[in-house]
Amino acid sequence: AQKVTQAQTEISVVEKEDVTLDCVYETRDTTYYLFWYKQPPSGELVFLIRRNSFDEQNEISGRYSWNFQKSTSSFNFTITASQVVDSAVYFCALSELVRGGADGLTFGKGTHLIIQP
Amino acid sequence: ETGVTQTPRHLVMGMTNKKSLKCEQHLGHNAMYWYKQSAKKPLELMFVYNFKEQTENNSVPSRFSPECPNSSHLFLHLHTLQPEDSALYLCASSQLSGFQETQYFGPGTRLLVL
Repeated sequence: AQKVTQAQTEISVVEKEDVTLDCVYETRDTTYYLFWYKQPPSGELVFLIRRNSFDEQNEISGRYSWNFQKSTSSFNFTITASQVVDSAVYFCALSELVRGGADGLTFGKGTHLIIQP
Repeated sequence: ETGVTQTPRHLVMGMTNKKSLKCEQHLGHNAMYWYKQSAKKPLELMFVYNFKEQTENNSVPSRFSPECPNSSHLFLHLHTLQPEDSALYLCASSQLSGFQETQYFGPGTRLLVL
């Protein structure tokens, strides 16, 4: 069975600090996909990144970076020089490959990130 | 309209009412999903549709009845709901391929059952 654990329920930092959100996953498949989504107070889930299990390269997009490590089954997300607009709930999600079809995502419980001015 | 839209954005209903949630995607995708987000549980998958065919029902009670008339529209019909069904209902869509493509979400319908 799939499982995603986001152990940090809430994180509060002061603006301009760096912050890392942890994500640990469990799966029996060798082919799987990992995602991060942002949920601002409006409720909509905003896609941030997708990573497949064969691509362990870290990725950087502006102030955002992701560290994927299969050896520890982790897919952590770092925001550098945080801003108040980064305040939101962040979800890590996992999906196993379903050939020829679509599969639902298994989400973690989310981390509520609060950036204080 | 762009992306994934959902109507209504807010809904209050009694336990004996019948209502429907609507989702429309403008991304040319051919898979659609319903998720439930309640205060006490993580986001839960409810239904999956591939090319209008339901491929997954995640043990959802029969008081929730989905309908997918075409690849762009998805409905969730509600009847005789319980207060514990109060939640944010999110619709998503994705493109079918040999891989797990990214799911794009709508803004959700916030449902309150009295």
